[in-house]
Amino acid sequence: IAGITQAPTSQILAAGRRMTLRCTQDMRHNAMYWYRQDLGLGLRLIHYSNTAGTTGKGEVPDGYSVSRANTDDFPLTLASAVPSQTSVYFCATGLAGGEDYNEQFFGPGTRLTVL
Amino acid sequence: KNQVEQSPQSLIILEGKNCTLQCNYTVSPFSNLRWYKQDTGRGPVSLTIMTFSENTKSNGRYTATLDADTKQSSLHITASQLSDSASYICVVRRSWGKLQFGAGTQVVVTP
Repeated sequence: IAGITQAPTSQILAAGRRMTLRCTQDMRHNAMYWYRQDLGLGLRLIHYSNTAGTTGKGEVPDGYSVSRANTDDFPLTLASAVPSQTSVYFCATGLAGGEDYNEQFFGPGTRLTVL
Repeated sequence: KNQVEQSPQSLIILEGKNCTLQCNYTVSPFSNLRWYKQDTGRGPVSLTIMTFSENTKSNGRYTATLDADTKQSSLHITASQLSDSASYICVVRRSWGKLQFGAGTQVVVTP
């Protein structure tokens, strides 16, 4: 594994279905984040985790849940997908949550279409 | 209203020419500002970071400026190359707060 991997690369999903987007890192960063990117809008934070065992809500958390059982994995679950969740989802990591200067590193993204 | 506004939304430039992208923000209190480059189908990658006391920073052919008084930043691309075709995203961090992302400027460099 090199850096941050996300799976799947893309997915078409029927509305109402459950879906888990996977994110795995080998950078040993303690903070991880999930963003969605929509055309014409900036990246918006869905959920974050400052360290294994803790999670927090971002700007647009409704309809999504996360867990952080260990340092490396941070899955994002859509319990019952809706068309408005069609987006490109990016996982990111950082050296520490809350500190000002640390860069966030982004995965390659998952393109999700909900029909 | 987005606290980070970027302009233009998109631009097309000829290979070898220069261009400047703008970022205006209202985020307060200000901690730092990063410019990211996002290639098509990839995640963003940091180009520069600037803090309150810095007004110019370069990374190769990319030069970022910051005027913290007017809350404006620019990213200048010198002698553009085809590989510069990408979206450029301005990201501002509030002190001990989360990031605020601009919508990005899509740059297309043509031969």
